[in-house]
Amino acid sequence: AQSVTQLDSQVPVFEEAPVELRCNYSSSVSVYLFWYVQYPNQGLQLLLKYLSGSTLVESINGFEAEFNKSQTSFHLRKPSVHISDTAEYFCAVTFNFGNEKLTFGTGTRLTIIP
Amino acid sequence: NAGVTQTPKFQVLKTGQSMTLQCAQDMNHNSMYWYRQDPGMGLRLIYYSASEGTTDKGEVPNGYNVSRLNKREFSLRLESAAPSQTSVYFCASSPGTVNTGELFFGEGSRLTVL
Repeated sequence: AQSVTQLDSQVPVFEEAPVELRCNYSSSVSVYLFWYVQYPNQGLQLLLKYLSGSTLVESINGFEAEFNKSQTSFHLRKPSVHISDTAEYFCAVTFNFGNEKLTFGTGTRLTIIP
Repeated sequence: NAGVTQTPKFQVLKTGQSMTLQCAQDMNHNSMYWYRQDPGMGLRLIYYSASEGTTDKGEVPNGYNVSRLNKREFSLRLESAAPSQTSVYFCASSPGTVNTGELFFGEGSRLTVL
């Protein structure tokens, strides 16, 4: 079975500073990887996903994540954060075949300091 | 543009009481899911329905039942609520399987069991 680890439960960052949210997965087979974002008092929404092809994927609001198979990682980065990025971020993984379900990490709460 | 709608948004129950959380989606999606979110534990899958007329257990099904009433609606029932079921519950849907698509989440239902 697959699993995903988000080591940082909380990350405080000053506005306009860069940020990296870490995600490591464990799986013996090929996987699909996702980042979801949850803004306060809302449901989760998809931020970006890696299915195949280029290992660097980007979102429309400036986030990017890189799939690193050798390190089994899918870290999320943004070069300059904004107050509106305050949210909880969840990494998720599933197998790339069959009808397997998403397994979510425990989440990282990103707090932007003005 | 309703997407996934959950009711109620808030509910307080006494131990042993029963209740049903309702979920409806208007995107003609095939698959629907119920998750619970607890601090430090991320999202855990309770039940899912890959298509109308089918339901399957997820990671934490004990104490819950579900009904896929039709393609639009997927309800979650607590027959005898326990304090351990205090949580935020999210309903989600996806067009096909979750592997390559994305999950669309409702805004959540906050349940407190006293």
